[in-house]
Amino acid sequence: ELKVEQNPLFLSMQEGKNYTIYCNYSTTSDRLYWYRQDPGKSLESLFVLLSNGAVKQEGRLMASLDTKARLSTLHITAAVHDLSATYFCAVDLSGTYKYIFGTGTRLKVLA
Amino acid sequence: DTEVTQTPKHLVMGMTNKKSLKCEQHMGHRAMYWYKQKAKKPPELMFVYSYEKLSINESVPSRFSPECPNSSLLNLHLHALQPEDSALYLCASSQSRGGYGYTFGSGTRLTVV
Repeated sequence: ELKVEQNPLFLSMQEGKNYTIYCNYSTTSDRLYWYRQDPGKSLESLFVLLSNGAVKQEGRLMASLDTKARLSTLHITAAVHDLSATYFCAVDLSGTYKYIFGTGTRLKVLA
Repeated sequence: DTEVTQTPKHLVMGMTNKKSLKCEQHMGHRAMYWYKQKAKKPPELMFVYSYEKLSINESVPSRFSPECPNSSLLNLHLHALQPEDSALYLCASSQSRGGYGYTFGSGTRLTVV
């Protein structure tokens, strides 16, 4: 059974600080996605990582994928309050239409 | 059009009611999905339609009945639900298998009383 684990589950950080969220998965996949969810809202696509070594950056967020280590990271640079949300990674179960979502990381950026 | 539109946004229904959730996309995506999300949990896959055919049913109780009338529309018919079915129901679509990720609709917040 494919498992997708994120850590930390909860993250409270000061504005201006850097931090990394980790997403580990248990089976072979070369496609991984990051989503953001604000409270009571739907999921917003942040990054699509489609190969080993892929790195994508948007604003203060940067995502990377290491398919050999079965690990993706979401790095936050100089956090601001607007980044407060829950972040999910999702792994594409190869050969199917099925994504398996990670446990989620609830991020709170304190002013 | 790069959106997935879900209606209604909020729904309160009794356990004996029948209601339907609707989802529409005009991006030419050929796969559409229903997810259920409980508070503070990740989304859980319910159904996948590929080219208007049901391709995945994640052992969902029969009180949830999906329907895909055409390539742009996806419905979820609800009947005799239980209070524990209260959740955020998310529709999504994608171009093909995996690929470039899902586009999610804004969701329907369902409360069963």
